[in-house]
Amino acid sequence: GAVVSQHPSWVICKSGTSVKIECRSLDFQATTMFWYRQFPKQSLMLMATSNEGSKATYEQGVEKDKFLINHASLTLSTLTVTSAHPEDSSFYICSAHTNTEAFFGQGTRLTVV
Amino acid sequence: DAKTTQPPSMDCAEGRAANLPCNHSTISGNEYVYWYRQIHSQGPQYIIHGLKNNETNEMASLIITEDRKSSTLILPHATLRDTAVYYCIVRAGNSGNTPLVFGKGTRLSVIA
Repeated sequence: GAVVSQHPSWVICKSGTSVKIECRSLDFQATTMFWYRQFPKQSLMLMATSNEGSKATYEQGVEKDKFLINHASLTLSTLTVTSAHPEDSSFYICSAHTNTEAFFGQGTRLTVV
Repeated sequence: DAKTTQPPSMDCAEGRAANLPCNHSTISGNEYVYWYRQIHSQGPQYIIHGLKNNETNEMASLIITEDRKSSTLILPHATLRDTAVYYCIVRAGNSGNTPLVFGKGTRLSVIA
């Protein structure tokens, strides 16, 4: 079946630095990918929709200048957390869809210290 | 907002069937019922989906009521590795550009 690969699986960074997370669709092309955030003991919350070749659309309350999304090809979307702070520590998950099914990356656990 | 309601938690003895209910009383005619699960610190994993007929695959069975307002996911012989949060999601078919909306799911604990 289709596979979505996310990298890195975990990262620790210092406050004020930036972190890039990659999401790849390995055997299908995805014009749209989605980024979710999940805090402990909570459900996945949609952050933004990544559109190949155009600007991402962000959910209410998500700062577009802080969470930079680039979707430069049909198989790769990146999420960059800029000037990270401890409150950005979370589990970030991407997904890509075929017409009938959604596939998720393994997730990236970000810890900002 | 999620269009489904699920019990927050359930326990199941190892080797027994786990029956996870889901209510989706406002489901539309073109919406499918999808089930995903999330094992701790991993991305969600697809389990099964259906429109109106019951479905079965190597992981589970999905029973959808005739009025489609509720469904039950059945894990026929639960193992410890089935401990996870199970999400029931309704989603229109052919909706590749529409994100999944997750509710709170059911935390299934399989007990030895």
